[in-house]
Formats: sequence, C-alpha cells, structure tokens
Amino acid sequence: AQTVTQSQPEMSVQEAETVTLSCTYDTSESNYYLFWYKQPPSRQMILVIRQEAYKQQNATENRFSVNFQKAAKSFSLKISDSQLGDTAMYFCAFMTTFYNQGGKLIFGQGTELSVKP
Amino acid sequence: DTGVSQDPRHKITKRGQNVTFRCDPISEHNRLYWYRQTLGQGPEFLTYFQNEAQLEKSRLLSDRFSAERPKGSFSTLEIQRTEQGDSAMYLCASSRGLAGDGETQYFGPGTRLLVL
Repeated sequence: AQTVTQSQPEMSVQEAETVTLSCTYDTSESNYYLFWYKQPPSRQMILVIRQEAYKQQNATENRFSVNFQKAAKSFSLKISDSQLGDTAMYFCAFMTTFYNQGGKLIFGQGTELSVKP
Repeated sequence: DTGVSQDPRHKITKRGQNVTFRCDPISEHNRLYWYRQTLGQGPEFLTYFQNEAQLEKSRLLSDRFSAERPKGSFSTLEIQRTEQGDSAMYLCASSRGLAGDGETQYFGPGTRLLVL
C-alpha cells in the first residue's frame, strides 16, 4: 500500500523569505502523480503544483517549485518570496495513474505553514 | 467553470439521525470523489465514481454510509444513524477522468458535520 509522510507538522517563515516543505512517499509503482495542495484556514483545498513521475524535470508554478527525487521517493515543495497569503496547511498527495486504475489521492498528515510579517 | 459546489456547508445533527450531503462537480468532469477530513489530519478517501458507476469504496465506508451518482452528474453521500465519530469535514472533488492533466482533482468547499 502506498503511504505519504510529512515529517514537519508546523513551520514558519518570514515574509519574502524561502521555505521548503518535505514529503516522502512509499510505492512499488514506477509511474504515478504527486501533488501539493494548499488549504487556507476555513477555506477550500487548492492545487498548488503537480508532478508526473515519468518526467525528470521538476515542476514549477510561479513562486512554487518542487524537488522530485524519484529514487529517494522524496517530493519537497519550495516556496520563494513567501507572502502572507501563503499561510495555510499544505498537503502532499500521491495518486496512481489512470492506466493503473488510479483514482484516489493518498494524503500526508499536512504541514501548517505560517508566514510572519 | 464554476468549480465544485457542496451543500450544505455546515450540518449539525443529533446522534442517530440520518444526514445527506450533495456535491455538484465541475461540468464535464466524469470522475467524482468523496473524502473525509478530521481536524488536523489529511483527507481520507471514501469512494469515487466514473460517471454513474461507483468504482472503489474504502473500508472506511461502513454500512451506514452510502453514495450515489444516479445520472453521472451530481452525487449524494448519506450517513444513516449518525455517530459522534462521524463528525468531520466531508470533501468532494472532481476530475476529467482522462490520463495526464485530466487526472488532477479539484476540491469543493466541503460540508462540515457535527454530531451531538
């Protein structure tokens, strides 16, 4: 069974600085998807970034980038130039692919990020 | 693209009562998912549909839980004889159900259930 582990329950960062959130996962599959979702306080889950395992290039979305290390089964999220609006719970998630009958997301426990002014 | 919507947003009920939640996915999204999220935890998968077919159910989905998607559009999740342990946020998500970008799931705002 696949598992996702986020070992940092809480983190804080000063506004405009860079922060990295860690995620490790376990799977025996060779192709899959990894996601980072953001859940602001009392607001809905929003997709931050998506990575396909067969792509060696790390995904980037504006100030958000990932460091995907497939052999180490590691998928960290780097937030550059942190903004107050980045304050949220961040979840790492794993999904098998469509062709492998994928469907459900398997989430980590989350990392609560606070951006300080 | 109006996003995933859920109704109601909040529900307070007494133990033993039945409750039903509704989810409207993004139009033209073939797949619809239900998750449960307890305070301070990541969401846990409950079940998902491809059009009207229920393809997978988690062992978390006890006999008291039932989900339907009768016409392949909106879905309902019913909990019978609610228990205090059912108190949680119930999240709905949808995706196009196609390989690649189409597998990305988009979430609704959730229904927060409190069982007294």
